[in-house]
Parts: sequence; structure tokens; C-alpha cells
Amino acid sequence: AQKITQTQPGMFVQEKEAVTLDCTYDTSDQSYGLFWYKQPSSGEMIFLIYQGSYDEQNATEGRYSLNFQKARKSANLVISASQLGDSAMYFCAMSHNRDDKIIFGKGTRLHILP
Amino acid sequence: EPEVTQTPSHQVTQMGQEVILRCVPISNHLYFYWYRQILGQKVEFLVSFYNNEISEKSEIFDDQFSVERPDGSNFTLKIRSTKLEDSAMYFCASSERVQVSGNTIYFGEGSWLTVV
Repeated sequence: AQKITQTQPGMFVQEKEAVTLDCTYDTSDQSYGLFWYKQPSSGEMIFLIYQGSYDEQNATEGRYSLNFQKARKSANLVISASQLGDSAMYFCAMSHNRDDKIIFGKGTRLHILP
Repeated sequence: EPEVTQTPSHQVTQMGQEVILRCVPISNHLYFYWYRQILGQKVEFLVSFYNNEISEKSEIFDDQFSVERPDGSNFTLKIRSTKLEDSAMYFCASSERVQVSGNTIYFGEGSWLTVV
């Protein structure tokens, strides 16, 4: 069965520091995708970054990078130079190429301190 | 930038009442989804819909729930007789293709449902 685990319910980080949000996953499939979404207090789901299981390079999107360690089944999100606007809930998620749904982890609430 | 739109943004309803949540997916998308997020909890898959029928549903999606694409534009989620535990944010999403990768699944801004 597919499973996403985010072990950090909450984090406090000083502005301008880098932050790593942890995500591990469990799947028996070889072909899958990993996502990170940001959910601010307004509630919408904002796509941040995607990593395919066959992608050899770690995904990067601006200040976001995904530290993909396939053997460890981890897909940590790294935010460089954090900003106050990064304060939000962050969800790690996974899809399989054999079906059409995404499953989500429980999320990590990130607080950026001025 | 294409977007998925949802209405209403917030609805308060009496327990036992029927509720219809509406979604307008992106026009050339073929795969549609509903997800639910109870306050403070994770986002949960409810149902996926393709070619005018349900392609997959979760155990949450019981007989009280139904989905419909009545006019080729809207995609609706109906809850027949709401319960207190149906209070949640409901997200509609759409995708152009079944193999979701990258930013190919688009979420709406959600509909808050409060059952009192």
C-alpha cells in the first residue's frame, strides 16, 4: 500500500535560513511521482515541485529543491533563504503512474520567524 | 494561467440537508477529482472521474456521495444527507491525462463546508 510520512508536525525557522522538510514514502511500484504542495492560511493548494522516480537529477524550482534519495525512499523539500511568506502548511504527496490519484502526507506547519 | 474554479467558497448547512459543491475544471482536461481535508488534517482522496464515470473511489466515498458532470462543463459533488463529520474543505482538481506528473494536476481553491 502507498503511504507518505511527514514526521515533523511543526517547525520554527529564522528568516533567511534554509529549511528542510522531511518526507518518506512507501511503495512497491517502480514508477511513481513525488510532489510538494504549499497550503497558506487561505486554504488553496499551491504546487511547488515534482520529482519522477526515474529522474536522475534532483528537481529544483527557484528556492525550492527536492532531495530525492530513492534507496531511502525519502523526498525532502529544501527551501533556501526562507522568507516570512513561506509560513504555511506543506504537504508531501505521491502518485503512481498506474492510476490517477495523489495521496498526501499529514503535512508540516512551517513558521518563519522575523 | 488556467484555473479550476469552485463554488461556493463557503457553505453552512444543517445536518441532514443535501449539499452540492460545484467545480468548473480546466476546459481541455479529461480527468476530474474530489479531495477532502478535515480541518487540521491531511488531504484525502475521495473520487476520480473519467469519461462520464467514476474510475476510482476511496472508502470515504460512500452511498451518501455522488458525482456528476451534468453539462460538459461543471463537475459536481453531491452529499445527500450531510453529517457533522462531513465538515471539511473540499477540493476539486483536474488533469489533462491519467499519468499525473509535474504540475499537470490543478487544484481549485476549495469549498469550505460547515455542517451544523
